[in-house]
Amino acid sequence: QTVVTQEPSFSVSPGGTVTLTCGLSSGSVSTSYYPSWYQQTPGQAPRTLIYSTNTRSSGVPDRFSGSILGNKAALTITGAQADDESDYYCVLYMGSGIYVFGTGTKVTVL
Amino acid sequence: QLQLQESGPGLVKPSETLSLTCTVSGGSISSSSYYWGWIRQPPGKGLEWIGSIYYSGSTYYNPSLKSRVTISVDTSKNQFSLKLSSVTAADTAVYYCARHVITRFDPWGQGTLVTVSS
Repeated sequence: QTVVTQEPSFSVSPGGTVTLTCGLSSGSVSTSYYPSWYQQTPGQAPRTLIYSTNTRSSGVPDRFSGSILGNKAALTITGAQADDESDYYCVLYMGSGIYVFGTGTKVTVL
Repeated sequence: QLQLQESGPGLVKPSETLSLTCTVSGGSISSSSYYWGWIRQPPGKGLEWIGSIYYSGSTYYNPSLKSRVTISVDTSKNQFSLKLSSVTAADTAVYYCARHVITRFDPWGQGTLVTVSS
């Protein structure tokens, strides 16, 4: 069973920069996995931030950016704001119609 | 603007079948190139993809749930449905429906909590 791993938690100061990663239990993440990123606040449905590795969804501030760093997908928040405090999930397309969500990262802004 | 809304019983007994429906408004479920998926989130835990159905009717399921899952579509009602059999307490979760393409899940429904308990 494929596991997509994310850091459990991160803390960032207001105005600071944080990079979350999304890795595979076996192998490297590439653009062929079409990594996407979602932000979720308590009690709400996830919101699409980034898709196809680095394309921002409509209305998403440009302080959010996506990339491949080494063998992982990455989401960088540059100039973090208080309302960025959320849970963040990545999703990888494994092929053959199969998707795997990452374990999620809780970001605290303080 | 496309909107999705989940509906179904909020309480299901152990060993029974969980049945949910997602109603699509603001667009046609028969639109080409889109998948319609189900995702769940146990209380306090992460998201898990359950499965999806393509507009053509092809289905794709999470291998870990495949033996218990059926997803179907009713184009006349602009709805798609999820059935999960032989449920246990571990199936207690918020269940979301979403439209997706290969690259992203968007939009999502607001989610519905299903509790498995006798």
